[in-house]
Amino acid sequence: DSGVTQTPKHLITATGQRVTLRCSPRSGDLSVYWYQQSLDQGLQFLIQYYNGEERAKGNILERFSAQQFPDLHSELNLSSLELGDSALYFCASSDISGANVLTFGAGSRLTVL
Amino acid sequence: AQSVTQLGSHVSVSEGALVLLRCNYSSSVPPYLFWYVQYPNQGLQLLLKYTSAATLVKGINGFEAEFKKSETSFHLTKPSAHMSDAAEYFCAVRSGTASKLTFGTGTRLQVTL
Repeated sequence: DSGVTQTPKHLITATGQRVTLRCSPRSGDLSVYWYQQSLDQGLQFLIQYYNGEERAKGNILERFSAQQFPDLHSELNLSSLELGDSALYFCASSDISGANVLTFGAGSRLTVL
Repeated sequence: AQSVTQLGSHVSVSEGALVLLRCNYSSSVPPYLFWYVQYPNQGLQLLLKYTSAATLVKGINGFEAEFKKSETSFHLTKPSAHMSDAAEYFCAVRSGTASKLTFGTGTRLQVTL
């Protein structure tokens, strides 16, 4: 157990729908990162939050949004889902000090039918 | 911009043989470098990290990597492969003020009897 908790582990939904993925960071970590892993794109950085504020943005689609709450958990919202959104979505957390080691959760596997 | 290139998307070795997974980085400033491992249906687990303290870095499960600035490389090695080493391995870089990691495309290691 890495200490980073992601729910749900698996999610199957239809095109056009909206889903929310949840992440609880490791205790003491203030920063949360979201990554998308797909066969054709590899591991792509989506977005980072630090203590509730957006810190960096990567290849995140406009249909996707995220936030980090006061208790430091984070949610990634995916809307108007398309077949191509099917992927593993990973959350990672860190304390951003020193080497900034990211600790990853087990991921949420999204299947869009 | 920072990036890593992993040469070889698939590597196959015999059990007991040397494991060598290649990673080259590009960074305009001294980087932090990481190797992560992903076992099937799991998240990413940190194997080792380079933080400029020592060029030869030892990690978990008998893996090590050497930072070579002149070659901009950070190759991962293990003297003797075990069946349990079969997994996907990712090289990642962080540099400058950015705290996110940029990952390579991954190398799938197969270990045969």
